[in-house]
Amino acid sequence: DVKVTQSSRYLVKRTGEKVFLECVQDMDHENMFWYRQDPGLGLRLIYFSYDVKMKEKGDIPEGYSVSREKKERFSLILESASTNQTSMYLCASRARQGMGNQPQHFGDGTRLSIL
Amino acid sequence: ILNVEQSPQSLHVQEGDSTNFTCSFPSSNFYALHWYRWETAKSPEALFVMTLNGDEKKKGRISATLNTKEGYSYLYIKGSQPEDSATYLCATYNYGQNFVFGPGTRLSVLP
Repeated sequence: DVKVTQSSRYLVKRTGEKVFLECVQDMDHENMFWYRQDPGLGLRLIYFSYDVKMKEKGDIPEGYSVSREKKERFSLILESASTNQTSMYLCASRARQGMGNQPQHFGDGTRLSIL
Repeated sequence: ILNVEQSPQSLHVQEGDSTNFTCSFPSSNFYALHWYRWETAKSPEALFVMTLNGDEKKKGRISATLNTKEGYSYLYIKGSQPEDSATYLCATYNYGQNFVFGPGTRLSVLP
């Protein structure tokens, strides 16, 4: 089974801090994604990566950046955390072949609170 | 950004009841629809991936249908059990777009 591991389940940070959320997958998947989930809204795509060193903006990239130095690891960075970035963050990975007909495999999520 | 809608937003049923909910999506440039189950404190888990109009998939007591011409999918649960309590997410993949998720239907099955 695919395992997607997020570094923290819960995280509390202060406004203005630089925050790193780490995600590691063990199935050699090319595609990795970062989403945030807020009440009443669907998962919203922040950034994604189709391969090492590659990154693409999703639908809500403002205030975030990412790093994909190794195939198994995809990091989400909040450059200067703000209270409106308090949310549940989910990482996912997916095999490249078949694109839309391959399911995504998710981590357990990181609930981030910015005070 | 495409708009994917799910209804109802939440649902409470008694153990043993059968239930169903809907995912609506734009049908133009459709490629695939995914259903996920997201239990509290766990990660979302893929249930079905559907691509063909008229497709019907089944896993135990859960089944799903797909109508790509009119842009909707139904998820059915037969004889609901407390362990079916979860948020059910649908997501569509259209050509030229990323996956777009609906807001989910939160199901509570009361013993």
